Amino acid sequence: ILNVEQSPQSLHVQEGDSTNFTCSFPSSNFYALHWYRWETAKSPEALFVMTLNGDEKKKGRISATLNTKEGYSYLYIKGSQPEDSATYLCAFSVRGSQGNLIFGKGTKLSVKP
Amino acid sequence: DSGVTQTPKHLITATGQRVTLRCSPRSGDLSVYWYQQSLDQGLQFLIQYYNGEERAKGNILERFSAQQFPDLHSELNLSSLELGDSALYFCASSMSGGPSTDTQYFGPGTRLTVL
Repeated sequence: ILNVEQSPQSLHVQEGDSTNFTCSFPSSNFYALHWYRWETAKSPEALFVMTLNGDEKKKGRISATLNTKEGYSYLYIKGSQPEDSATYLCAFSVRGSQGNLIFGKGTKLSVKP
Repeated sequence: DSGVTQTPKHLITATGQRVTLRCSPRSGDLSVYWYQQSLDQGLQFLIQYYNGEERAKGNILERFSAQQFPDLHSELNLSSLELGDSALYFCASSMSGGPSTDTQYFGPGTRLTVL
């Protein structure tokens, strides 16, 4: 069974704090790693897609790194703002599959003003 | 707005009933994926269609079926509903049908409640 683990399950930080979460996935047959941001009552919104070991992507204050050899990815948020409050999901796709994603349960971030 | 539409937004029905959820993909996308989000579970992949053909099956129950029509919209049919089928059902779309770096764009979801 292919499993994605995300930690922590939830996180409460103050506005201005920097934070990071972890996504662990099976490293064999890895194809791509996706990060999504999911606000309550909205659709999950794509943040990054990464494929190469050592890949690093950045979008504003949010960045992500990828280690395919050991099977983990980190998502960093610099200077958290209340509008960053959301659940952050990671998902991976497997080489040889049809592209469907295997999701973790997410990390729920709450940023207090 | 992702460009993926789903109807209805909410659905309340009784055990034993049958419902149909509808999804229209983003313009230009050929693949449609259905996912189920139950309480305390991550998004679970159900089924994928590409250009009208079934491409992959996940943890989809035999009571559930889906199809993709020539205009590329898709329907997910859930029958003999049980309390445990209550969940948020998402549809996502992407351009390609195989493993790729294409982003999957998600619709707003249909919240199904079975009483």
